[in-house]
Amino acid sequence: DAGITQSPRHKVTETGTPVTLRCHQTENHRYMYWYRQDPGHGLRLIHYSYGVKDTDKGEVSDGYSVSRSKTEDFLLTLESATSSQTSVYFCAIKASGGTDTQYFGPGTRLTVL
Amino acid sequence: RKEVEQDPGPFNVPEGATVAFNCTYSNSASQSFFWYRQDCRKEPKLLMSVYSSGNEDGRFTAQLNRASQYISLLIRDSKLSDSATYLCVVNYPNKLVFGAGTILRVKS
Repeated sequence: DAGITQSPRHKVTETGTPVTLRCHQTENHRYMYWYRQDPGHGLRLIHYSYGVKDTDKGEVSDGYSVSRSKTEDFLLTLESATSSQTSVYFCAIKASGGTDTQYFGPGTRLTVL
Repeated sequence: RKEVEQDPGPFNVPEGATVAFNCTYSNSASQSFFWYRQDCRKEPKLLMSVYSSGNEDGRFTAQLNRASQYISLLIRDSKLSDSATYLCVVNYPNKLVFGAGTILRVKS
């Protein structure tokens, strides 16, 4: 258990509304990631963070923004949700000790109607 | 060519069978390789890291072939509880790239 929680776990929203997903970790990891997972695709990186206020884009960042004002929290915002953003969103942390290993939170299932 | 490719399956095998999955990757500079397991509607969980010499963990054996750029996972004596999707993961500069997964169904 890497001490990662995500909230909400499920959300249904309407097209055009803003949505914020939260990832919280308790073990002071520097690197945090947001992925989305869709059928037929591997997990795809949306954004990642390498420290407080330090973030960068992943391969599918359009339509998403992130913020990290505290080490333990990494927020993902959909400014104006679209149906193509219906997905399962996973947060991850990179393990300490020079490894590339990542551990995942339980996921948020988002439906945009 | 996809960065990481896996046969999606499903692989349907009886209990006790041996099953092998392969995964190919495109970046010859990759240095870290992993297999993750994902149960239905759950998060991916690390199954094992893959070392250049190959490694074994109980019934699971992982192999790396850098020359051919593929990784394999062998599961011996399959259990019902091994039914899951197995994700091949490769590091690229500054990121991990995930395959779409191979579905394994073990039947009694």
